[in-house]
Amino acid sequence: EPEVTQTPSHQVTQMGQEVILRCVPISNHLYFYWYRQILGQKVEFLVSFYNNEISEKSEIFDDQFSVERPDGSNFTLKIRSTKLEDSAMYFCASSVDRFEETQYFGPGTRLLVL
Amino acid sequence: DAKTTQPNSMESNEEEPVHLPCNHSTISGTDYIHWYRQLPSQGPEYVIHGLTSNVNNRMASLAIAEDRKSSTLILHRATLRDAAVYYCILREAYSGGGADGLTFGKGTHLIIQP
Repeated sequence: EPEVTQTPSHQVTQMGQEVILRCVPISNHLYFYWYRQILGQKVEFLVSFYNNEISEKSEIFDDQFSVERPDGSNFTLKIRSTKLEDSAMYFCASSVDRFEETQYFGPGTRLLVL
Repeated sequence: DAKTTQPNSMESNEEEPVHLPCNHSTISGTDYIHWYRQLPSQGPEYVIHGLTSNVNNRMASLAIAEDRKSSTLILHRATLRDAAVYYCILREAYSGGGADGLTFGKGTHLIIQP
């Protein structure tokens, strides 16, 4: 069964450093998403991406964040200058289209900012 | 997305049915009722969704009240692998201008006793 994959599974970085989290969505899906989950808290929507541009973003997704689909398979989330509060689990998801009901989530990348 | 209310936790025995309730008294006519679950250390996983009629799939059943102000996710025979946090989420349909991102609450932590 097709699945969303994410790399790396864990990333440790120093505050102020840039990180890039990578995702490979399911191949025939057109909508891509990033969510985050701070330890012990809710899963929070960050951004959705369609047709090579941001479709929707939450208040959390500020100028420190950016997303890109650099090629036909990868979908990336870049945090330009990490802060301690960026430590969280980051989940990528994809769906066939915006109005397809099901979003398929990857296993997540655990980011720790020191 | 309209708000949902779920119990913080529930406990059940293995091999027995589990009924997970969700209240959504402010649901609108264009809101679909979705259930996702999150197993320990994994990303959220789609379980089932419906609009008005009860729904069945290989994972679970969804019973929707006639006034749609509440719903129940039914796991017919719980196994240890069903231990997870279960989220009840309302999603506005396309015709209602639905948002891209899923709005997760705290969900119900389902504990399965062997």
